[in-house]
Amino acid sequence: KAGVTQTPRYLIKTRGQQVTLSCSPISGHRSVSWYQQTPGQGLQFLFEYFSETQRNKGNFPGRFSGRQFSNSRSEMNVSTLELGDSALYLCASSSQDRGLDGYTFGSGTRLTVV
Amino acid sequence: AQKVTQAQTEISVVEKEDVTLDCVYETRDTTYYLFWYKQPPSGELVFLIRRNSFDEQNEISGRYSWNFQKSTSSFNFTITASQVVDSAVYFCALSEEAGANNLFFGTGTRLTVIP
Repeated sequence: KAGVTQTPRYLIKTRGQQVTLSCSPISGHRSVSWYQQTPGQGLQFLFEYFSETQRNKGNFPGRFSGRQFSNSRSEMNVSTLELGDSALYLCASSSQDRGLDGYTFGSGTRLTVV
Repeated sequence: AQKVTQAQTEISVVEKEDVTLDCVYETRDTTYYLFWYKQPPSGELVFLIRRNSFDEQNEISGRYSWNFQKSTSSFNFTITASQVVDSAVYFCALSEEAGANNLFFGTGTRLTVIP
């Protein structure tokens, strides 16, 4: 079966711009989570959506937002980009709560802010 | 508060050697889940195993084995007869039953297997 698909794979943006990243979960998976990975902070939880509702949010500023559509596809948006937003953004999907079947991650979107 | 510690930042072994990656966790929850993920250079996190707090049975899957000890809050991962393809960053992660539906990751251990 198809895995978790994230687009685009690479992105270069200028400070102050905004960006939208996309994630298509595995078919049938209703939970989609987003993580930010940086060399300094490691892997940090951004937010989680289930059936179009944001259930949980990590400790990130309001510039980071997301949404989930009825087909479970999810987007995350970062407004007013800062240099520190440069990171690998990973999306994960799960068919069960608490990732009982193991969260499946996509290959990520590498965002570079210049 | 929850915390996952992977004290080994980098490990290098020669092919066919055994290697153990350490993971120590902290949580106040009585019900929690522990995971190991592998991150190859391609970037995606590959799920290896999930263990819940009530299941202390060790598990073996081919060359991989996991040792879960609640008494020491550890969930260590051993690769037997390592291969070059095992070279990657390995992450241990924790999810709490009473908390948000998210993973708390350790800082990862970079394993390099030298041919």
